[in-house]
Amino acid sequence: AQSVTQLDSQVPVFEEAPVELRCNYSSSVSVYLFWYVQYPNQGLQLLLKYLSGSTLVKGINGFEAEFNKSQTSFHLRKPSVHISDTAEYFCAVSDYEAGTALIFGKGTTLSVSS
Amino acid sequence: EAGVAQSPRYKIIEKRQSVAFWCNPISGHATLYWYQQILGQGPKLLIQFQNNGVVDDSQLPKDRFSAERLKGVDSTLKIQPAKLEDSAVYLCASSAGTSGSWELFFGEGSRLTVL
Repeated sequence: AQSVTQLDSQVPVFEEAPVELRCNYSSSVSVYLFWYVQYPNQGLQLLLKYLSGSTLVKGINGFEAEFNKSQTSFHLRKPSVHISDTAEYFCAVSDYEAGTALIFGKGTTLSVSS
Repeated sequence: EAGVAQSPRYKIIEKRQSVAFWCNPISGHATLYWYQQILGQGPKLLIQFQNNGVVDDSQLPKDRFSAERLKGVDSTLKIQPAKLEDSAVYLCASSAGTSGSWELFFGEGSRLTVL
């Protein structure tokens, strides 16, 4: 069965610093990959997704992620974070051959301070 | 465009009592999901509907949880009787399509506390 590992439960950074949130998934050749964000007291919303094609995917609010098939990773990056990026970030995967719904990682709390 | 609506936002009950959560998906979305999010963990799929049929309920504890989606629109998730370990946020989501490539739109969740 497919699984997702988010390697950091909490990531504290200062404003304007770069950040990388790490995500690994169990090996499969047939995956779609997603990052969702949950701001305080709000529902989850899509940041970006990889379906096929270019391995570098750009999303909203300046975030991007790179699909690395050999390392089964899909790390999220932003070159310069803002206070407003403070939120919980979830990596998720679906296996399109198996026809599964999204399977989520445990989440990474990004805390941006001034 | 109206988002996914859920109610109630908060519910506190005693163990062995029952509770029901309601979800109204985005208009026209064929697929509806219920996820359970326990504190410190990611959302876990409980059940997936396509229109009013069940696609996947393999992780739904059927001895105490039930869900229905009458007429392929609104959905209700019920827990009876509740246990302490059911304390969680119950998230409803909907998508326009059924394959794993479609974006899920989430409601704000219903937070359940079982005492």
